[in-house]
Amino acid sequence: AQRVTQPEKLLSVFKGAPVELKCNYSYSGSPELFWYVQYSRQRLQLLLRHISRESIKGFTADLNKGETSFHLKKPFAQEEDSAMYYCALEYGNKLVFGAGTILRVKS
Amino acid sequence: DAGVIQSPRHEVTEMGQEVTLRCKPISGHNSLFWYRQTMMRGLELLIYFNNNVPIDDSGMPEDRFSAKMPNASFSTLKIQPSEPRDSAVYFCASSFGTSGPYNEQFFGPGTRLTVL
Repeated sequence: AQRVTQPEKLLSVFKGAPVELKCNYSYSGSPELFWYVQYSRQRLQLLLRHISRESIKGFTADLNKGETSFHLKKPFAQEEDSAMYYCALEYGNKLVFGAGTILRVKS
Repeated sequence: DAGVIQSPRHEVTEMGQEVTLRCKPISGHNSLFWYRQTMMRGLELLIYFNNNVPIDDSGMPEDRFSAKMPNASFSTLKIQPSEPRDSAVYFCASSFGTSGPYNEQFFGPGTRLTVL
């Protein structure tokens, strides 16, 4: 069955420290993976998709098929990065979301 | 475009009452999704429609939940009778086109439901 696992409910880091939000998936096909973000009092929105291989707001995510992972990384966290982050797997026009990780960046 | 519109934004009701949540997708989008968000389970897909037709309702918890999409610009999610365990934030999302790596779902602001 399709599944997305985000093992950390809460990740707390200091401003300027590196950030890595973990995401592992279970899927027998070729995965389409995304990261969505929900800032305080804002809507859930797409942050990045693996196919684009781009950096958004300093975040990158690399698909590792061997480890079935799609971790989200940023070298230097900023306070405005504080939000809820969801990893998502798409199949058949549906998204399966992980449980989400709250990122708190402390000053 | 105002994006996906949901109403009400907050709903407080008593156990046993009927609750109806409403959603207006982005104009031109042909897929609509209903999600439930809880602290314990995160975001769960309840049902999704394509071209107003329900495609997958396997996430609907039980017969107390029902969803309709009478036309391309309106959908409802109904809970009857409601129970305290239904308390959650319910999101509606819409997208254009079918599956693929460039597919993007656009979310509404959510309806926070509290069942006492």
